Amino acid sequence: DGGITQSPKYLFRKEGQNVTLSCEQNLNHDAMYWYRQDPGQGLRLIYYSQIVNDFQKGDIAEGYSVSREKKESFPLTVTSAQKNPTAFYLCASSIGGAMNTEAFFGQGTRLTVV
Amino acid sequence: KNQVEQSPQSLIILEGKNCTLQCNYTVSPFSNLRWYKQDTGRGPVSLTIMTFSENTKSNGRYTATLDADTKQSSLHITASQLSDSASYICVGGSGGSYIPTFGRGTSLIVHP
Repeated sequence: DGGITQSPKYLFRKEGQNVTLSCEQNLNHDAMYWYRQDPGQGLRLIYYSQIVNDFQKGDIAEGYSVSREKKESFPLTVTSAQKNPTAFYLCASSIGGAMNTEAFFGQGTRLTVV
Repeated sequence: KNQVEQSPQSLIILEGKNCTLQCNYTVSPFSNLRWYKQDTGRGPVSLTIMTFSENTKSNGRYTATLDADTKQSSLHITASQLSDSASYICVGGSGGSYIPTFGRGTSLIVHP
């Protein structure tokens, strides 16, 4: 099956710890994105990558880091510097280099800081 | 600054009824307008995507309209079902920006 897979679905983290969210796609898409979703708010862009070994900060990159070593994978690390990390995180991918084409989302990871 | 505003914020309807969700967008230069459905705790799924030359597009019981002059779009749901309960997100794509603009969504609840 082709698609975009996020894992884990639920994640709990203690304050002060870093945690990495996984995102894998087998759609052969060039571009991948990480969004954060909070209740009552629209999706906010954290980071995006148009090609392998390149990525750009979005609107709320502080406290997050990413890597894009492979076309299929775009992991997101939530660092201890992120002051309010509890949220629903969504990964997406799109054909070519622009999200103005069709975008596909993963099922999300709900991160809770305990 | 590009913006997408959706209304109403939430809507409750009875099963079998029709409803219409609204989206006003300020996206320049305009490229496309998309509607997504997001079930609770899941990722958004695309319903329709329209360019400026299209003024209506259907996907089953979902019909989206686009008025490029007034910069408005609507999503009409016909004969609603319980499974239509979800958040519906309007997204404006700009030819001048690599990243689209998301609305905050309309939360639809369909009661039996």
